[in-house]
Amino acid sequence: AQSVTQLGSHVSVSEGALVLLRCNYSSSVPPYLFWYVQYPNQGLQLLLKYTTGATLVKGINGFEAEFKKSETSFHLTKPSAHMSDAAEYFCAVSVTGGGSYIPTFGRGTSLIVHP
Amino acid sequence: DAGITQSPRHKVTETGTPVTLRCHQTENHRYMYWYRQDPGHGLRLIHYSYGVKDTDKGEVSDGYSVSRSKTEDFLLTLESATSSQTSVYFCAISESGGIGYGYTFGSGTRLTVV
Repeated sequence: AQSVTQLGSHVSVSEGALVLLRCNYSSSVPPYLFWYVQYPNQGLQLLLKYTTGATLVKGINGFEAEFKKSETSFHLTKPSAHMSDAAEYFCAVSVTGGGSYIPTFGRGTSLIVHP
Repeated sequence: DAGITQSPRHKVTETGTPVTLRCHQTENHRYMYWYRQDPGHGLRLIHYSYGVKDTDKGEVSDGYSVSRSKTEDFLLTLESATSSQTSVYFCAISESGGIGYGYTFGSGTRLTVV
């Protein structure tokens, strides 16, 4: 079975600073990896995904993530934080299991952006 | 997302009463899912469907049942609501079972059981 660990339930940065949200996964087979963002009172929105191929993936709103198999990590980064980036971020891992690709979600990291 | 709607958006109900939440999609996606979101737990899968009349349990299915009589609708029923089922419920859809495209989520239903 797969699992996801998001390090830090809250991350606080200043506007313009680097954003780094950490995600580590556990899987016995090659995983599919996702980052979702949730703004207040809304559903989750897909930010980016890794399936196969290039390990550095770019998503919406200037975010990107790098799949590092040796470190079993899929950390989310953005060079310069904006106030509008304040939200909850979820990492998810999905693997095949009997034809099902049900993802497992991390517990989420709340990104706080200070002026 | 305009392709998936949940109803109601908010509901307050009394302990012991039955409650049905509806998820409606216009994308003709095969897969539909119900999650609950609670502080400190992230999203936990309740039930999912991989086709009309084809459903399966998730990790927190006790106390919940689902039905899918047509592609566009996926109903979640709490047969006898309890305070532990106070939560925000999200429906999600997927074209390919989650791979490749990920999920599209509805805006959620906030359920309070008093």
